[in-house]
Amino acid sequence: GENVEQHPSTLSVQEGDSAVIKCTYSDSASNYFPWYKQELGKGPQLIIDIRSNVGEKKDQRIAVTLNKTAKHFSLHITETQPEDSAVYFCAASSQPGGSYIPTFGRGTSLIVHP
Amino acid sequence: DTGVSQDPRHKITKRGQNVTFRCDPISEHNRLYWYRQTLGQGPEFLTYFQNEAQLEKSRLLSDRFSAERPKGSFSTLEIQRTEQGDSAMYLCASSSKATTEAFFGQGTRLTVV
Repeated sequence: GENVEQHPSTLSVQEGDSAVIKCTYSDSASNYFPWYKQELGKGPQLIIDIRSNVGEKKDQRIAVTLNKTAKHFSLHITETQPEDSAVYFCAASSQPGGSYIPTFGRGTSLIVHP
Repeated sequence: DTGVSQDPRHKITKRGQNVTFRCDPISEHNRLYWYRQTLGQGPEFLTYFQNEAQLEKSRLLSDRFSAERPKGSFSTLEIQRTEQGDSAMYLCASSSKATTEAFFGQGTRLTVV
């Protein structure tokens, strides 16, 4: 099955700095890569995703890059704000039978200091 | 539509008791997923429904766990003879046939004492 590794487990930055979270996956059949943000006591919230036919996607201060050859993808947050503090999860999935069941990384706790 | 709804939000039960959780997916989402999340970990897949059919089950889903989606709308997850190791957040997500994005509910936090 799919295995997703995520680094770092904790990331501490100053407000205004950039933050980068990296993930690797093992299954070359994976073709969909969502990122989720989870705040304390809440369920994960989808913030951005990328499909295997695209190398980069950007949405305001958030961008995701994908390197299919190396089987890794990254989340970039620019101009970080205290409200970006949360746990971020990467995930990878493929479409056997149309299920798109995401396999998640272990998460990165992002702390943005004002 | 307010998104994926889970009930209850919190459940405390004694070891050996049975518990049942409910998930109401986003309307017209035909795919429904159950995940379990323990402290400091990412969500772990438990089971997946497409409409009323349970198509995939993880090895994490022991015989004490059962999930149903009788009419292809809401789903229930039952845990029989709960153990302390069952303490976790149980998350439900749904997605539509047309898209791949899975949207999560707020989760049910189970504590087994």
